[in-house]
Amino acid sequence: DSGVTQTPKHLITATGQRVTLRCSPRSGDLSVYWYQQSLDQGLQFLIQYYNGEERAKGNILERFSAQQFPDLHSELNLSSLELGDSALYFCASDPVGSYNEQFFGPGTRLTVL
Amino acid sequence: GNSVTQMEGPVTLSEEAFLTINCTYTATGYPSLFWYVQYPGEGLQLLLKATKADDKGSNKGFEATYRKETTSFHLEKGSVQVSDSAVYFCALRQTRNSGNTPLVFGKGTRLSVIA
Repeated sequence: DSGVTQTPKHLITATGQRVTLRCSPRSGDLSVYWYQQSLDQGLQFLIQYYNGEERAKGNILERFSAQQFPDLHSELNLSSLELGDSALYFCASDPVGSYNEQFFGPGTRLTVL
Repeated sequence: GNSVTQMEGPVTLSEEAFLTINCTYTATGYPSLFWYVQYPGEGLQLLLKATKADDKGSNKGFEATYRKETTSFHLEKGSVQVSDSAVYFCALRQTRNSGNTPLVFGKGTRLSVIA
């Protein structure tokens, strides 16, 4: 158990819908990262938050957005869903210091029908 | 930009065989290097890491050495077990004084070990 929690574990929805994925980082970690794992694109970084503020953006679509709340949990919002958004979405957190590893949650598997 | 290239899979080995999964990277400066493992149906777990040149990371019989001259971080294990069947990801993160940075992953190598 990494200490990072993600809900829900599975999500099945239809094209055009909107979903929210939730992540709670490890106790004491201020950074939260979101990654997307798909068969064709591999593991891609989406967005990073640090202590409530956006820190870095990767290959995140405009239809996707995220935020980090004062209690440090984070939500990833995916809207106008398309079939190609079906993927595993991982959240990770880490302590201060770029040399340290990131700790990953179990992931949310999103299926868009 | 930063990138990681690892050998394409899948790799199928017999139990007790020697394993090598190649990984090379492109980055400025001195990134930290990692191997993560994803067992079937699970999330990613850190397998080992190295933070500077010539460092050797090791864990559970796996080893990888940070080679700056060849920009490589190849994963090796002397004798694989069926329980090592998983997907292995090589990754790097840039060091930056201004704070933590995201991971850049290779595409992953699926390993299957047969008894």
